[in-house]
Amino acid sequence: QKEVEQNSGPLSVPEGAIASLNCTYSDRGSQSFFWYRQYSGKSPELIMFIYSNGDKEDGRFTAQLNKASQYVSLLIRDSQPSDSATYLCAVNLGYGGSQGNLIFGKGTKLSVKP
Amino acid sequence: EAQVTQNPRYLITVTGKKLTVTCSQNMNHEYMSWYRQDPGLGLRQIYYSMNVEVTDKGDVPEGYKVSRKEKRNFPLILESPSPNQTSLYFCASSLNRDDNSPLHFGNGTRLTVT
Repeated sequence: QKEVEQNSGPLSVPEGAIASLNCTYSDRGSQSFFWYRQYSGKSPELIMFIYSNGDKEDGRFTAQLNKASQYVSLLIRDSQPSDSATYLCAVNLGYGGSQGNLIFGKGTKLSVKP
Repeated sequence: EAQVTQNPRYLITVTGKKLTVTCSQNMNHEYMSWYRQDPGLGLRQIYYSMNVEVTDKGDVPEGYKVSRKEKRNFPLILESPSPNQTSLYFCASSLNRDDNSPLHFGNGTRLTVT
């Protein structure tokens, strides 16, 4: 069974702090990794994707990937109340092509307190 | 505006009454997929389609049917709905087979089966 694990939270951080969201996956063959943000009652929206070991930065967001440890994380710097949402980690197993093998974690709920 | 459109947004029905949830995208995307989202279980894939006339089962296909007669449309059919199919459903699409092509989600359909 291919699994993607996330701490369900809620993760509570003060405004301006760094929020750290973590995700582990079970299949060593996984090729690409995605972070989606989902506001309550809304659909998921893509924040970042990463394929290679190391860090990838986009504005206040940094994705970190460690394939040896089967671990991917999302850091949100200078957290804002508008970042309060559920963050979904998604892992693409990468065989057979495309998103047909995209497995989602159950999500971590982030709350940023003013 | 580029979007994935699902209809209806809300649907209440009774056990056994066939229903169809429509999904249409205007981005000429090859890949389309249906997910259901349940508390504590996260997003689970029902069916996906790599292109016209090509569909495949996801993780939870039982009780559902799909078709892909045209590139833009990917309806989800429940032939005989049951209460355990009460859920929030999302249709999603992405450009092509590329593992890194991001998913674009529709606004969701909240289905209640009594």
